[in-house]
Amino acid sequence: GNSVTQMEGPVTLSEEAFLTINCTYTATGYPSLFWYVQYPGEGLQLLLKATKADDKGSNKGFEATYRKETTSFHLEKGSVQVSDSAVYFCALGEINDYKLSFGAGTTVTVRA
Amino acid sequence: EAGVTQFPSHSVIEKGQTVTLRCDPISGHDNLYWYRRVMGKEIKFLLHFVKESKQDESGMPNNRFLAERTGGTYSTLKVQPAELEDSGVYFCASSQDRAGPFTDTQYFGPGTRLTVL
Repeated sequence: GNSVTQMEGPVTLSEEAFLTINCTYTATGYPSLFWYVQYPGEGLQLLLKATKADDKGSNKGFEATYRKETTSFHLEKGSVQVSDSAVYFCALGEINDYKLSFGAGTTVTVRA
Repeated sequence: EAGVTQFPSHSVIEKGQTVTLRCDPISGHDNLYWYRRVMGKEIKFLLHFVKESKQDESGMPNNRFLAERTGGTYSTLKVQPAELEDSGVYFCASSQDRAGPFTDTQYFGPGTRLTVL
């Protein structure tokens, strides 16, 4: 079956620091990969996605590259802000299957 | 455009009681999903509606959980009787998926935090 493993948190950073959240996956087919973010008190929002190998998803300064050879989709941001404090979820979905498989989430706190 | 809304935001009940969670998807979205996050672990799929029909309910934990989607609009998820292990955050999501899975994004609601004592 499908599964997603992401680095455990919590992660605490200072403003302008570099953020990396590791995500690896196991899939039976050729999945699409996603990063969702949940800001305090809000629902999950799609942050970025990639649908095929070597695709790079990007949004709000965040980037992640679909690496089929290492089955990874690590999230990076070069300079975080306090407003990036949130829980980040890595997820995958198979092309003929509507459901998403999520990782456990990584809580990120950015301090001023 | 209004997003996915869920009610209540929090619910605290005792073991053995019944709780009903409600989800209102984005207007016009035929696909509606329920997910659950237990104890800070991964978010797990529960089921998927296409309009009023259950497309996939493979993630429903047991027969104490009953989901309905009246007229293909809002959906309810009833837990009866609730057990301690049912505590968690229940998320609802909706999507259009006009041309197949993941063509359109799944939009999530804020979740309902259920605590069973």
